[in-house]
Amino acid sequence: ETGVTQSPTHLIKTRGQQVTLRCSSQSGHNTVSWYQQALGQGPQFIFQYYREEENGRGNFPPRFSGLQFPNYSSELNVNALELDDSALYLCASSSWTSGSADTQYFGPGTRLTVL
Amino acid sequence: QKEVEQNSGPLSVPEGAIASLNCTYSDRVSQSFFWYRQYSGKSPELIMSIYSNGDKEDGRFTAQLNKASQYVSLLIRDSQPSDSATYLCAVNGFSGGYNKLIFGAGTRLAVHP
Repeated sequence: ETGVTQSPTHLIKTRGQQVTLRCSSQSGHNTVSWYQQALGQGPQFIFQYYREEENGRGNFPPRFSGLQFPNYSSELNVNALELDDSALYLCASSSWTSGSADTQYFGPGTRLTVL
Repeated sequence: QKEVEQNSGPLSVPEGAIASLNCTYSDRVSQSFFWYRQYSGKSPELIMSIYSNGDKEDGRFTAQLNKASQYVSLLIRDSQPSDSATYLCAVNGFSGGYNKLIFGAGTRLAVHP
């Protein structure tokens, strides 16, 4: 167990709807990253939050947005859902020390199905 | 060219054998390398990290790094059926003040009794 929690576990939405996924980071960690993992593929980096600011973003459209709260928990919001957004969404927790936060520990994930 | 490449497998080995998993990466400036294990329907679990050329051992697992060849490998000794999973190689793409892990598609390992 990594101490990273995510909710909900599973979610079913229809195309065009909006969804919010939540993540609580491991105790002592101040950085949260979000990844999307489609079936049969490796996780793809969406963005990273540190000190409540997005400090890096992968190749995802603006309808993917996020927040980080003072307690370092985080939300991932996806607007105007598309069928291709169906995936496992992973939150990863890390600690930014010495200018790097490279060891990331994953939560259990949220399985999103878009119909 | 993909940034991180792995053979998708499945790699099938008998119980008790050594499983060898390989990964190549394209970005020469990468400094941190990770192996994650992912059981079907579960999230990735960190099993090894390596930062310097050479070998790093942890129990039955040995990670090997060769930066000149841009090659990372994972050896699993005395393979057990419980090792059957997908193994993801990840490279830290530290860029402009943030870290992102760049993953390969994973190698599926099947250990048969």
